[in-house]
Amino acid sequence: QQQVKQSPQSLIVQKGGISIINCAYENTAFDYFPWYQQFPGKGPALLIAIRPDVSEKKEGRFTISFNKSAKQFSLHIMDSQPGDSATYFCAASGAERGGSQGNLIFGKGTKLSVKP
Amino acid sequence: DVKVTQSSRYLVKRTGEKVFLECVQDMDHENMFWYRQDPGLGLRLIYFSYDVKMKEKGDIPEGYSVSREKKERFSLILESASTNQTSMYLCASSLWIASYRREQFFGPGTRLTVL
Repeated sequence: QQQVKQSPQSLIVQKGGISIINCAYENTAFDYFPWYQQFPGKGPALLIAIRPDVSEKKEGRFTISFNKSAKQFSLHIMDSQPGDSATYFCAASGAERGGSQGNLIFGKGTKLSVKP
Repeated sequence: DVKVTQSSRYLVKRTGEKVFLECVQDMDHENMFWYRQDPGLGLRLIYFSYDVKMKEKGDIPEGYSVSREKKERFSLILESASTNQTSMYLCASSLWIASYRREQFFGPGTRLTVL
């Protein structure tokens, strides 16, 4: 129930194409769903996040789509660029109180390569 | 700008050595975390801390311990390093988890090799 399942493990996209990464969760108590981006040699950094009261959030070329009934959320990268090549992690956490329920549960990551 | 620094980028140790990984954050965050990152396994939580002198086990605490004597510093200790602890270690910090902003800020990582 604490897992977040992420797919695909790796993704190759042509420049200008759309990159789509999917995540699924089981725990209905989760109420915060961020995506992290990690470049080689760097730590992950928050890219975009969504709460389950909205179905979509867009920031520039990056969009999170959220389907509460299916317990799924996805990251869409429009007009993908070689500079987007990185590893992407979805995550989830739950409860507005302290304790381990507030920790982030990460997916296993997707390595995205955008070909020029 | 939040900054999380880790004492070493690369570290090579021998089996059986005691290893200390240090992490410092400068944003007065209550929460600090240690993860290890391995290919295909993502980020796995080793230990976390909500406050000074407090610590909680994560998903894979075996073989590790932690110390948090000051709010800004969180240390990961490998009591007797083994080859299966060769990995990338990432430290992170965040505001109190009950707040809306649960963003975790990560350090650059320490790549540890145990020979």
